[in-house]
Amino acid sequence: EIVMTQSPATLSVSPGERATLSCRASQSVSSNLAWYQQKPGQAPRLLIHGASTRATGIPARFSGSGSGTEFTLTISSLQSEDFAVFYCQHYSSWPPRTFGQGTKVEMK
Amino acid sequence: QVQLVQSGAEVKKPGASVRVSCKASGYTFTGYYIHWVRQAPGQGLEWMGWISLNSGGTTSAQKFQGKVTLTWDRSISTAYMDLSRLGSDDTAVYFCAREKALAGNGPLDLWGQGTMVTVSS
Repeated sequence: EIVMTQSPATLSVSPGERATLSCRASQSVSSNLAWYQQKPGQAPRLLIHGASTRATGIPARFSGSGSGTEFTLTISSLQSEDFAVFYCQHYSSWPPRTFGQGTKVEMK
Repeated sequence: QVQLVQSGAEVKKPGASVRVSCKASGYTFTGYYIHWVRQAPGQGLEWMGWISLNSGGTTSAQKFQGKVTLTWDRSISTAYMDLSRLGSDDTAVYFCAREKALAGNGPLDLWGQGTMVTVSS
């Protein structure tokens, strides 16, 4: 089983600031990595797939990078609506399609 | 409107079984996989398994093998997740989500609204 590890667990950021979230895979997943945003009481929403491709309708302030085992989600200038929990998930060939434990981005 | 609509909340006793449905609308049902993901209260996302809407083939996480059954009814564009021998640790919100069936694997680009399953005596 591929273990996905996210850091930090919580990130305190002021609106307008940059947020950088990390995700590490226990073995290479190539670029088969997605990021999701989840707000309280809502289903997750796909932000990034293929490690760096924004999903339809996702603002350009969200960007993803990395390949292999190290990945980063960057929010260039946090807006009020961006505060949420973010999860990475691999979708390489080997099930289970594990998620990271999540990073909560909260307002500073 | 492209959406996945799940069945309503359930309350079950320990040892019982539960069925959650996931109805697709606004797109062609086949040509996708439906995944099931659960989230215990205050916890993260846990991937359970998927079903191919082309072949009906399924894959589930080892933890859920023998406990979860994934099926589908093409005629009504609906996927089902049956969970048996419920325990208190099965109390969670259960989500369905779709993945486009490509040459390789893909992300979960559309999610249902979630179904709360509470297991309580």
